[in-house]
This record gives sequence, C-alpha cells and structure tokens, in this order.
Amino acid sequence: EEQVVESGGGLVQPGGSLRLSCAASGFTFSNYWMTWVRQAPGKGLEWVAHIKQDGIEKYYVDSVRGRFTISRDNAKTSLYLQMSSLRAEDTAVYYCARALAGQADTFDIWGQGTMVTVSS
Amino acid sequence: DIQMTQSPSSVSASVGDRVTITCRASQGVSSWLAWYQQKPGKAPKLLISAASSLQSGVPSRFSGSGFGTDFTLTISSLQPEDFATYYCQQANSFPLTFGGGTKVEMK
Repeated sequence: EEQVVESGGGLVQPGGSLRLSCAASGFTFSNYWMTWVRQAPGKGLEWVAHIKQDGIEKYYVDSVRGRFTISRDNAKTSLYLQMSSLRAEDTAVYYCARALAGQADTFDIWGQGTMVTVSS
Repeated sequence: DIQMTQSPSSVSASVGDRVTITCRASQGVSSWLAWYQQKPGKAPKLLISAASSLQSGVPSRFSGSGFGTDFTLTISSLQPEDFATYYCQQANSFPLTFGGGTKVEMK
C-alpha cells in the first residue's frame, strides 16, 4: 500500500523550532515531487513547501520562506520540514503529500497529518 | 499570487440532488486545476486532476470541467458519503493556492 506517515508535531513556544518527518512506503519515493500542506484549526488548506525528486529544487510560500526548510532523504524514503522562529499563526495540522506522477503540483497520497501548536 | 475563489462557501442539499461548485482563478491556470474532498478529521482526498481527469476509484458521479479561470465540480446525484468540504487548487504556478472550500451539508 502506498502511504506516507507524518510525525514530529507537538507544542512549541513562539520563537522555537520543530522538525517534522514524513515516512513514505509502498512506492518509489525518489521518483516523486513531495510537498507539505497545512491547515489551521477550522480553516482551509494552505500549501507550505515543495521539493523535487533530487532534493535541489525547492519552493516555499512567502510566509514561511527563510524560517522553514524542506528536505528529503531518498535513501531513507523520508521527507522533512525544519521549522524555526515559529509563530502562533504557524499552528496547524501539517500534511505530507505525494505529487502525481507527471503532474508535479497535484497531490494524490496524503498522510494523516501531525499537529503543531505554537503557544506559550 | 493566484487567488482561488470558490462559491458557494456552503450548500445544503439532499441525497440524490445535483450539486455544482464553482472555482474562479484570479488569472488563467490553463487546465491545471485539482479538486479535493475532505471529511472532518481526515486528510484531503484527490478527486479530479487537470480540471477534468477523474482519479482512479472515484465514483463517476463526480465530474470536473473548465479552463483558464472558471471551473466547476459537479456531483450528479449526491450520496450520503459525499457530505464533506471540497477544495479547488491551482497547480499552474507557485505559490500553489487553494480555494476557501465549499461545505456540502445535509438539508
């Protein structure tokens, strides 16, 4: 079964850091773009960051650029999101998702999400 | 940034009804438009990619159409399992952006 499973969420103080992980299985991880999408409580979906198969080409939403870093380890079939200088507005469920083969910016496999709460 | 505007924000409907949701992009996105379904506490599920391509396993009562700036998602005969929130997403350019969502509620 093709799946991704996020971990690493939790409660962190404003200004703090957190690293999210996403473990992929059931597919050839190195063949796919991967992304992070978040959803604040009771709100809609917001795309956060995107990374190409080789881990070199990356894209970010403006609100996290310079604070968050997306990376991947194809040998470990894992995706990461290093978050620093966290703000209250970063509080959300963070989803890892796989892009469709041939359509790098549409997402067909999603994890269950991991909750990040930024609060003192 | 491309803004995605969905309407209505909510719709009340009954089983068997035909439901249509629209999504408008602030600038043209060609056919690079996806639709997702999300149920409470669950991850989004991809229904349609490239404006009209139904994903494998998605019931044929779901259909998508449109090009450029105006898109629609149609549920031809609403089923109990279809009560959910639906999001459009443009896949044309960064930053990728989602519509605000349309909640399909039971009348």
